[in-house]
Amino acid sequence: DAGVTQSPTHLIKTRGQHVTLRCSPISGHKSVSWYQQVLGQGPQFIFQYYEKEERGRGNFPDRFSARQFPNYSSELNVNALLLGDSALYLCASSSAKGRVPTIIFGPGTRLTVT
Amino acid sequence: QKEVEQDPGPLSVPEGAIVSLNCTYSNSAFQYFMWYRQYSRKGPELLMYTYSSGNKEDGRFTAQVDKSSKYISLFIRDSQPSDSATYLCAMNRAMGSGGSNYKLTFGKGTLLTVNP
Repeated sequence: DAGVTQSPTHLIKTRGQHVTLRCSPISGHKSVSWYQQVLGQGPQFIFQYYEKEERGRGNFPDRFSARQFPNYSSELNVNALLLGDSALYLCASSSAKGRVPTIIFGPGTRLTVT
Repeated sequence: QKEVEQDPGPLSVPEGAIVSLNCTYSNSAFQYFMWYRQYSRKGPELLMYTYSSGNKEDGRFTAQVDKSSKYISLFIRDSQPSDSATYLCAMNRAMGSGGSNYKLTFGKGTLLTVNP
């Protein structure tokens, strides 16, 4: 089975620009979450989507937005990029069998803002 | 105070050593406890998860949770150079209905190097 896929692998943007990151979850997983990992820190939760509805939002500005499509893939959009947005953006695909969550991460998209 | 505290290390051990990695947390609502391994510039890989207090063993890895002390540990026996990575603890509150709650709160990660 294919794991979580993310695109692009890495990209470089200029301050003030907009970026769209994409994620495809594991087949059968209906939930996608997004995390930001700054160098030397643990991942920070940005959004969670389940069945195309937002189910959670972390402490990030409105410049960050996301959506989930009918095929459960997802996009993360960031507007008006700042230098501090440079990070590894991780997508996590999730399912729950019984009460135990299975949360699997993709390889990430490395964003550099100059 | 951060919800999850983890000593960032770095931790350097000789091959074959027993490694102990730890996290403390402040939020008593956390019910699920996970350990992820992250190689440089890669996504985190799920190693183990436990629900509530107790121990869980998987090969060379043992995860322990002590909810009364708000303390979790990961032990690695017979450590190998391939175990060199950053280890992240992560926690989740009780699951909502329909799989609605997958927000993980992570520690900062501990960088481990196992020397041959």
